[in-house]
Amino acid sequence: GAVVSQHPSRVICKSGTSVKIECRSLDFQATTMFWYRQFPKQSLMLMATSNEGSKATYEQGVEKDKFLINHASLTLSTLTVTSAHPEDSSFYICSARVGAAYGYTFGSGTRLTVV
Amino acid sequence: AQTVTQSQPEMSVQEAETVTLSCTYDTSENNYYLFWYKQPPSRQMILVIRQEAYKQQNATENRFSVNFQKAAKSFSLKISDSQLGDTAMYFCAFMIRPFGGTSYGKLTFGQGTILTVHP
Repeated sequence: GAVVSQHPSRVICKSGTSVKIECRSLDFQATTMFWYRQFPKQSLMLMATSNEGSKATYEQGVEKDKFLINHASLTLSTLTVTSAHPEDSSFYICSARVGAAYGYTFGSGTRLTVV
Repeated sequence: AQTVTQSQPEMSVQEAETVTLSCTYDTSENNYYLFWYKQPPSRQMILVIRQEAYKQQNATENRFSVNFQKAAKSFSLKISDSQLGDTAMYFCAFMIRPFGGTSYGKLTFGQGTILTVHP
């Protein structure tokens, strides 16, 4: 089945530094990927939609300069949290749409802790 | 805009018993998909079951089945013969069937229901 590989699974960084999270579609081409943020025991909040070869579309209230998204190829999308602060600590998940009838497949998530 | 509501923050069930999780949604669209996703403690999102709105027959996947009531905009999940491995957070989700538009391809999630299966 369709697999999205997300790395790293956990990262701890110092306040003020930047962190890059990668999502790769392993056996299919993902023209569109979605990036979510999730707090403990809460739902997934869509941050942005990443389209291969074009600019990402950000949801209202998401700072595009803080959360940089790049979708340089049909198999790779990256999320960079710039100048991270403790309030950016969260669980970040990517997903790709496999096909309308098949829904989405999700990466395994990245737990970011900013200290 | 579409909204998805899961009114049960937490549920519990004994192993081998049956449990039903509720989900309602609001949309003006007529063609869409509905999904149930499971997020176990590992936090990996796993597709449980999907339903196409234009199909009247309720979807089933082994022990999992849905009760899809399009007029009432209700989409409940029934888990039969509950197993310890079913312990997870369950999300109901909605997607407009793609025919273009800015909402194309976006999943809208409910708040989630934490299900605990007791031995």
